[in-house]
Amino acid sequence: AQTVTQSQPEMSVQEAETVTLSCTYDTSESDYYLFWYKQPPSRQMILVIRQEAYKQQNATENRFSVNFQKAAKSFSLKISDSQLGDAAMYFCAYSLYAGGTSYGKLTFGQGTILTVHP
Amino acid sequence: GAVVSQHPSRVICKSGTSVKIECRSLDFQATTMFWYRQFPKQSLMLMATSNEGSKATYEQGVEKDKFLINHASLTLSTLTVTSAHPEDSSFYICSARPVQGQREQYFGPGTRLTVT
Repeated sequence: AQTVTQSQPEMSVQEAETVTLSCTYDTSESDYYLFWYKQPPSRQMILVIRQEAYKQQNATENRFSVNFQKAAKSFSLKISDSQLGDAAMYFCAYSLYAGGTSYGKLTFGQGTILTVHP
Repeated sequence: GAVVSQHPSRVICKSGTSVKIECRSLDFQATTMFWYRQFPKQSLMLMATSNEGSKATYEQGVEKDKFLINHASLTLSTLTVTSAHPEDSSFYICSARPVQGQREQYFGPGTRLTVT
């Protein structure tokens, strides 16, 4: 079974600074997706960034970028120029790439609460 | 685009009664919908995968007779909590995966269930 581990229950950052959230996962599969989701106080899940395991290039979305280390099974999220609106709970998630009954099922990490200080 | 709604957003029911939660994909068709449960400040736990026109697939440890899932159309899935008890109080979130195209799934805003 796949597992996702976020070892930082809480993190804080000053506005305009950079913060990195950690995530490790365990899988025996070679083709999969990794995601970072943001859950603000409204509880609405928002996709931040996605990484396909077969791509060596790290995904970036504006101020958000990942450091994907497939051999180490590590998938960290870097938030640059942090803004007050980035304050939320962040979840790392894993999904199988191929079809079949497991396709699309997301396995989430425990979450990291990010606080942004003005 | 890619909006998923849930109804109701909040519901309070008495112990022993049943409550139905609807999940709709508003601007796309979804053959697969997922139901998650989330306790305060905790992660999302997948309860079941709902496929249009077929029986739902439940995760280990989830009581299928208690949490009835029906995916009757390509835009609607329902979760019915039967004979609810206070320990069923939680935040329930659905997500929907489009038939074609994107690999992401889109999440509803969630339903807070309180059983008194």
